[in-house]
Amino acid sequence: GENVEQHPSTLSVQEGDSAVIKCTYSDSASNYFPWYKQELGKRPQLIIDIRSNVGEKKDQRIAVTLNKTAKHFSLHITETQPEDSAVYFCAAWRTFGSGTQLTVLP
Amino acid sequence: DTAVSQTPKYLVTQMGNDKSIKCEQNLGHDTMYWYKQDSKKFLKIMFSYNNKELIINETVPNRFSPKSPDKAHLNLHINSLELGDSAVYFCASSQVWGARNTEAFFGQGTRLTVV
Repeated sequence: GENVEQHPSTLSVQEGDSAVIKCTYSDSASNYFPWYKQELGKRPQLIIDIRSNVGEKKDQRIAVTLNKTAKHFSLHITETQPEDSAVYFCAAWRTFGSGTQLTVLP
Repeated sequence: DTAVSQTPKYLVTQMGNDKSIKCEQNLGHDTMYWYKQDSKKFLKIMFSYNNKELIINETVPNRFSPKSPDKAHLNLHINSLELGDSAVYFCASSQVWGARNTEAFFGQGTRLTVV
C-alpha cells in the first residue's frame, strides 16, 4: 500500500517568515496530493491540492510543488500569520502523512 | 447544513463495553471512510467503502466492524472496547470520478475515551 512520510514534525517560524513542509510518497501510481489543515480540536480541512499532471499550484500565500520523478511534494506558506498555527497534513489521496505542528510566533 | 456529521461527539465508556459511532453525509459522495487519530495526531485510515462495498480494511482488530446501510451512511461498531481504542475517530467522504480522486470532507470527530 501507499506510504507517506512528512517532515518536519514540528516547525516554529516568526510571523512574516515562510514555512516549508515536505512529503514523500511510495506509490508511483498516486495521482492526487491534498494538503489539510487541522486546528486544535477541529476537523482536518483541505487548504490546497495538486494533481500529478501539474508541477506547481498557488493560492494566495500558499503554494504546493510536486516532483513526480522523485515522488516528493512540498507545501510553502509565505508571510505567515499567527492564524496559520495548526497541524498540517500532506496526503497521497487517502493516505496521510504524520503531520507537522506549525507554530507562528508573533 | 453539515456536510458530514457524526454522532456522538464525545463518548466515555468502560473497558469491555460495545459502542457505535454513526456517520452521515449529504454530499452525494460514493466513498466514505473511517480514520483513527491517536494522541500523536496520526491520521490512520481504518476502512473505506465505495457504494456500500468495503474496499479497504487496514490492519484493524476484528472488534471493529463498519456497516454501510446505504451510500450516505457509514457506521462504526466497536466490541469489547480496550484502553488503546481511546482516540478521535473521524468519518469522511469523497467523490471518485473514475481515476480522478477528490478531497475528503471530514466529520467533526468522535472523541472516544475508554476507562
